[in-house]
Amino acid sequence: DIVLTQSPALAVSLEQRATISCKTSQNVDNYGISYMHWYQQKPGQQPKLLIYEGSNLASGIPARFSGSGSGTDFTLTIDPVEADDIATYYCQQSKDYPFTFGSGTKLEIK
Amino acid sequence: QVQLKESGPGLVQPSETLSLTCTVSGFSLTSYSVSWVRQPSGKGPEWMGRMWYDGDTAYNSALKSRLSISRDTSKNQVFLKMNSLQTDDTGTYYCTRDPLPGYSGNWFAYWGQGTLVTVSS
Repeated sequence: DIVLTQSPALAVSLEQRATISCKTSQNVDNYGISYMHWYQQKPGQQPKLLIYEGSNLASGIPARFSGSGSGTDFTLTIDPVEADDIATYYCQQSKDYPFTFGSGTKLEIK
Repeated sequence: QVQLKESGPGLVQPSETLSLTCTVSGFSLTSYSVSWVRQPSGKGPEWMGRMWYDGDTAYNSALKSRLSISRDTSKNQVFLKMNSLQTDDTGTYYCTRDPLPGYSGNWFAYWGQGTLVTVSS
Protein backbone atom coordinates (compact mmCIF):
# COMPACT_ATOMS: atom_id res chain seq x y z
CA ASP A 1 0.00 0.00 0.00
CA ILE A 2 1.12 3.58 -0.62
CA VAL A 3 1.76 5.30 2.71
CA LEU A 4 1.05 9.04 3.02
CA THR A 5 2.95 10.91 5.73
CA GLN A 6 1.74 14.21 7.19
CA SER A 7 2.93 16.25 10.14
CA PRO A 8 0.42 16.01 13.01
CA ALA A 9 -0.05 19.73 13.55
CA LEU A 10 0.80 23.18 12.23
CA ALA A 11 0.39 26.49 14.05
CA VAL A 12 0.09 29.69 12.04
CA SER A 13 -1.06 33.24 12.65
CA LEU A 14 -4.22 34.59 11.06
CA GLU A 15 -3.64 36.24 7.69
CA GLN A 16 -0.34 34.37 7.29
CA ARG A 17 0.44 31.50 4.96
CA ALA A 18 0.00 27.85 5.96
CA THR A 19 1.94 25.17 4.13
CA ILE A 20 0.84 21.59 4.76
CA SER A 21 2.94 18.78 3.37
CA CYS A 22 2.21 15.23 2.32
CA LYS A 23 4.92 12.77 1.38
CA THR A 24 4.11 9.47 -0.30
CA SER A 25 6.04 6.20 -0.13
CA GLN A 26 5.72 5.77 -3.91
CA ASN A 27 5.35 8.02 -6.91
CA VAL A 28 1.66 8.91 -7.39
CA ASP A 29 2.10 10.55 -10.79
CA ASN A 30 1.11 8.88 -14.03
CA TYR A 31 1.03 10.31 -17.56
CA GLY A 32 1.54 13.80 -16.23
CA ILE A 33 -1.29 13.64 -13.69
CA SER A 34 -0.73 13.68 -9.96
CA TYR A 35 -3.23 11.38 -8.27
CA MET A 36 -3.16 13.41 -5.07
CA HIS A 37 -6.19 15.04 -3.49
CA TRP A 38 -6.79 17.16 -0.40
CA TYR A 39 -9.67 17.37 2.05
CA GLN A 40 -10.65 19.60 4.96
CA GLN A 41 -12.47 18.17 7.96
CA LYS A 42 -13.94 20.18 10.81
CA PRO A 43 -14.96 18.51 14.08
CA GLY A 44 -18.16 16.52 13.76
CA GLN A 45 -18.33 16.98 10.01
CA GLN A 46 -17.54 14.85 6.98
CA PRO A 47 -14.40 15.57 4.96
CA LYS A 48 -14.75 18.19 2.25
CA LEU A 49 -12.87 18.05 -1.06
CA LEU A 50 -10.53 21.01 -1.57
CA ILE A 51 -8.07 20.04 -4.30
CA TYR A 52 -8.07 17.20 -6.81
CA GLU A 53 -5.32 15.86 -9.05
CA GLY A 54 -2.61 17.79 -7.30
CA SER A 55 -3.58 21.35 -8.11
CA ASN A 56 -7.18 21.65 -9.27
CA LEU A 57 -9.48 23.67 -7.03
CA ALA A 58 -12.76 21.91 -6.27
CA SER A 59 -16.02 23.67 -6.94
CA GLY A 60 -16.88 26.41 -4.46
CA ILE A 61 -13.48 26.39 -2.75
CA PRO A 62 -11.89 29.82 -2.23
CA ALA A 63 -8.78 30.66 -4.21
CA ARG A 64 -6.91 31.03 -0.90
CA PHE A 65 -6.42 27.28 -1.17
CA SER A 66 -3.93 25.86 -3.64
CA GLY A 67 -2.16 22.58 -4.23
CA SER A 68 1.23 21.84 -5.70
CA GLY A 69 3.85 19.15 -6.00
CA SER A 70 4.57 16.01 -7.94
CA GLY A 71 5.96 12.53 -7.57
CA THR A 72 6.21 11.91 -3.85
CA ASP A 73 6.08 15.42 -2.39
CA PHE A 74 2.93 17.50 -2.28
CA THR A 75 1.83 20.70 -0.58
CA LEU A 76 -1.46 22.30 0.32
CA THR A 77 -1.13 26.06 0.80
CA ILE A 78 -3.65 28.35 2.48
CA ASP A 79 -2.87 32.02 1.96
CA PRO A 80 -4.01 33.95 3.84
CA VAL A 81 -5.29 31.79 6.70
CA GLU A 82 -8.68 32.76 8.07
CA ALA A 83 -10.27 31.72 11.36
CA ASP A 84 -12.72 29.47 9.48
CA ASP A 85 -9.80 27.40 8.17
CA ILE A 86 -9.18 25.80 11.56
CA ALA A 87 -9.60 22.13 10.75
CA THR A 88 -7.71 18.93 10.02
CA TYR A 89 -6.40 18.48 6.50
CA TYR A 90 -5.96 15.09 4.83
CA CYS A 91 -4.20 14.07 1.65
CA GLN A 92 -5.37 11.06 -0.36
CA GLN A 93 -3.82 9.15 -3.26
CA SER A 94 -5.69 7.37 -6.02
CA LYS A 95 -2.73 6.16 -8.07
CA ASP A 96 -3.03 2.59 -6.81
CA TYR A 97 -5.47 0.40 -4.92
CA PRO A 98 -6.14 0.60 -2.09
CA PHE A 99 -6.72 4.34 -2.11
CA THR A 100 -5.05 5.65 1.01
CA PHE A 101 -5.21 8.76 3.16
CA GLY A 102 -2.69 10.52 5.30
CA SER A 103 -3.16 10.70 9.06
CA GLY A 104 -3.99 14.39 8.88
CA THR A 105 -2.49 17.75 9.82
CA LYS A 106 -4.38 19.78 12.40
CA LEU A 107 -4.18 23.48 11.64
CA GLU A 108 -4.02 25.62 14.75
CA ILE A 109 -3.86 29.36 15.30
CA LYS A 110 -0.85 30.86 17.08
CA GLN B 1 -28.99 18.12 -5.53
CA VAL B 2 -26.60 15.27 -4.77
CA GLN B 3 -27.29 13.63 -1.44
CA LEU B 4 -26.02 10.49 0.27
CA LYS B 5 -27.28 9.23 3.61
CA GLU B 6 -25.94 6.32 5.61
CA SER B 7 -28.09 4.26 7.93
CA GLY B 8 -27.60 1.24 10.11
CA PRO B 9 -27.21 0.06 13.70
CA GLY B 10 -25.12 2.23 15.95
CA LEU B 11 -24.00 -0.69 18.11
CA VAL B 12 -22.71 -4.07 16.95
CA GLN B 13 -21.53 -6.96 19.08
CA PRO B 14 -18.00 -8.28 18.58
CA SER B 15 -17.82 -11.10 16.02
CA GLU B 16 -21.18 -10.03 14.55
CA THR B 17 -21.92 -8.68 11.07
CA LEU B 18 -22.32 -4.99 10.24
CA SER B 19 -24.96 -4.03 7.67
CA LEU B 20 -25.13 -0.45 6.42
CA THR B 21 -27.23 1.21 3.74
CA CYS B 22 -26.34 4.28 1.70
CA THR B 23 -29.43 5.90 0.18
CA VAL B 24 -28.66 8.36 -2.59
CA SER B 25 -30.60 11.03 -4.43
CA GLY B 26 -29.89 13.53 -7.17
CA PHE B 27 -27.99 11.06 -9.35
CA SER B 28 -28.14 7.55 -10.75
CA LEU B 29 -26.12 4.62 -9.41
CA THR B 30 -25.84 3.36 -12.98
CA SER B 31 -23.92 6.51 -13.90
CA TYR B 32 -21.80 7.23 -10.80
CA SER B 33 -19.60 5.07 -8.58
CA VAL B 34 -20.02 5.04 -4.80
CA SER B 35 -17.37 4.19 -2.23
CA TRP B 36 -17.45 3.38 1.45
CA VAL B 37 -14.88 5.15 3.64
CA ARG B 38 -14.54 4.73 7.40
CA GLN B 39 -12.77 6.78 10.01
CA PRO B 40 -11.86 5.81 13.57
CA SER B 41 -12.17 8.70 15.99
CA GLY B 42 -9.13 10.96 15.81
CA LYS B 43 -7.57 9.09 12.89
CA GLY B 44 -7.37 9.41 9.14
CA PRO B 45 -10.00 7.97 6.82
CA GLU B 46 -9.69 4.48 5.34
CA TRP B 47 -11.09 3.58 1.92
CA MET B 48 -12.99 0.31 2.23
CA GLY B 49 -14.28 -0.40 -1.23
CA ARG B 50 -16.49 0.78 -4.03
CA MET B 51 -19.46 -0.08 -6.21
CA TRP B 52 -18.65 0.92 -9.76
CA TYR B 53 -21.36 2.49 -11.90
CA ASP B 54 -21.44 -0.67 -14.04
CA GLY B 55 -22.04 -2.95 -11.06
CA ASP B 56 -18.48 -4.12 -10.60
CA THR B 57 -16.84 -3.87 -7.18
CA ALA B 58 -13.37 -3.17 -5.78
CA TYR B 59 -12.22 -3.78 -2.21
CA ASN B 60 -9.41 -2.77 0.08
CA SER B 61 -7.29 -5.91 0.28
CA ALA B 62 -7.04 -5.50 4.05
CA LEU B 63 -10.81 -5.93 4.35
CA LYS B 64 -11.65 -8.04 1.32
CA SER B 65 -12.13 -11.30 3.18
CA ARG B 66 -14.77 -9.73 5.47
CA LEU B 67 -16.41 -7.15 3.20
CA SER B 68 -19.19 -7.21 0.62
CA ILE B 69 -20.66 -4.23 -1.25
CA SER B 70 -23.85 -4.52 -3.29
CA ARG B 71 -26.62 -2.27 -4.60
CA ASP B 72 -30.28 -2.01 -5.52
CA THR B 73 -30.53 0.54 -8.31
CA SER B 74 -34.35 0.57 -8.19
CA LYS B 75 -34.17 1.80 -4.59
CA ASN B 76 -31.11 4.03 -5.12
CA GLN B 77 -29.26 2.18 -2.40
CA VAL B 78 -25.76 0.80 -1.89
CA PHE B 79 -25.15 -1.76 0.84
CA LEU B 80 -22.14 -2.65 2.95
CA LYS B 81 -21.82 -5.90 4.86
CA MET B 82 -18.77 -6.71 6.93
CA ASN B 83 -18.47 -9.75 9.14
CA SER B 84 -16.39 -10.72 12.16
CA LEU B 85 -16.40 -7.23 13.61
CA GLN B 86 -13.88 -6.32 16.29
CA THR B 87 -13.47 -3.29 18.53
CA ASP B 88 -11.02 -1.67 16.11
CA ASP B 89 -13.82 -1.55 13.52
CA THR B 90 -15.41 1.17 15.64
CA GLY B 91 -15.67 4.48 13.83
CA THR B 92 -17.73 6.66 11.52
CA TYR B 93 -18.70 5.08 8.23
CA TYR B 94 -19.28 7.28 5.19
CA CYS B 95 -20.53 6.68 1.70
CA THR B 96 -19.04 8.92 -0.97
CA ARG B 97 -19.58 9.60 -4.65
CA ASP B 98 -17.12 10.05 -7.48
CA PRO B 99 -16.99 13.49 -9.11
CA LEU B 100 -17.98 12.50 -12.62
CA PRO B 101 -20.06 9.83 -14.33
CA GLY B 102 -18.54 6.65 -15.62
CA TYR B 103 -14.95 5.92 -14.93
CA SER B 104 -13.85 9.19 -13.33
CA GLY B 105 -11.11 10.33 -11.03
CA ASN B 106 -10.94 8.36 -7.85
CA TRP B 107 -11.41 11.21 -5.46
CA PHE B 108 -14.41 11.79 -3.26
CA ALA B 109 -16.39 14.84 -4.26
CA TYR B 110 -19.55 14.16 -2.24
CA TRP B 111 -19.89 12.63 1.21
CA GLY B 112 -22.75 11.53 3.34
CA GLN B 113 -23.00 12.80 6.91
CA GLY B 114 -21.65 9.49 8.19
CA THR B 115 -22.96 7.00 10.70
CA LEU B 116 -21.16 6.09 13.92
CA VAL B 117 -20.69 2.38 14.48
CA THR B 118 -19.54 1.14 17.87
CA VAL B 119 -18.38 -2.43 18.29
CA SER B 120 -18.87 -3.41 21.90
CA SER B 121 -20.46 -6.05 24.04
